[in-house]
Amino acid sequence: GESVGLHLPTLSVQEGDNSIINCAYSNSASDYFIWYKQESGKGPQFIIDIRSNMDKRQGQRVTVLLNKTVKHLSLQIAATQPGDSAVYFCAENIGNNNDMRFGAGTRLTVKP
Amino acid sequence: DGGITQSPKYLFRKEGQNVTLSCEQNLNHDAMYWYRQDPGQGLRLIYYSQIVNDFQKGDIAEGYSVSREKKESFPLTVTSAQKNPTAFYLCASSTGTGRRQPQHFGDGTRLSIL
Repeated sequence: GESVGLHLPTLSVQEGDNSIINCAYSNSASDYFIWYKQESGKGPQFIIDIRSNMDKRQGQRVTVLLNKTVKHLSLQIAATQPGDSAVYFCAENIGNNNDMRFGAGTRLTVKP
Repeated sequence: DGGITQSPKYLFRKEGQNVTLSCEQNLNHDAMYWYRQDPGQGLRLIYYSQIVNDFQKGDIAEGYSVSREKKESFPLTVTSAQKNPTAFYLCASSTGTGRRQPQHFGDGTRLSIL
């Protein structure tokens, strides 16, 4: 398939392990954040979002943590599976409209 | 199934040619967006539209044009003025332009130069 990103930070994990993907955001006034998953040759897929009035939010096998003090966002994937292999990127709301700024992403590779 | 459909999946442009990328959504979303994705970079906003018959330039609008005649459709034209058009183009939509609305994406069109 087509590569969605070259020279991205990479994370390689063993199947069944937990994964942690990190993102530093730029704007201290941002109050809404999203994690997306992008598989090769496809569009980004919404995973989970979080508002700035929360520190943590959980979904199915995923948890997002928000540290506003250091402007840091992380995505934790529990019991990582081969199907989780993809590029993951975060997005922050940067304006009064629904303007989002997207990170370049991290490539997650899951080894069987 | 509700979703966003982009076509074609692959497109080739000759020198001096304008090409149009299609984006259709049946999610009844008010807002639609066009992004460009280049290797190793985050998505960059080309144009967005909040309502029918209205659209705004994004960060990299030069060499592109759009229209929004119907709520469901937001086609992007890559004109000959865009000197480096080779990229992966993504269309997205959201329920509105109020803050805190996730954008949902189509599966993209990959544009290359012949």
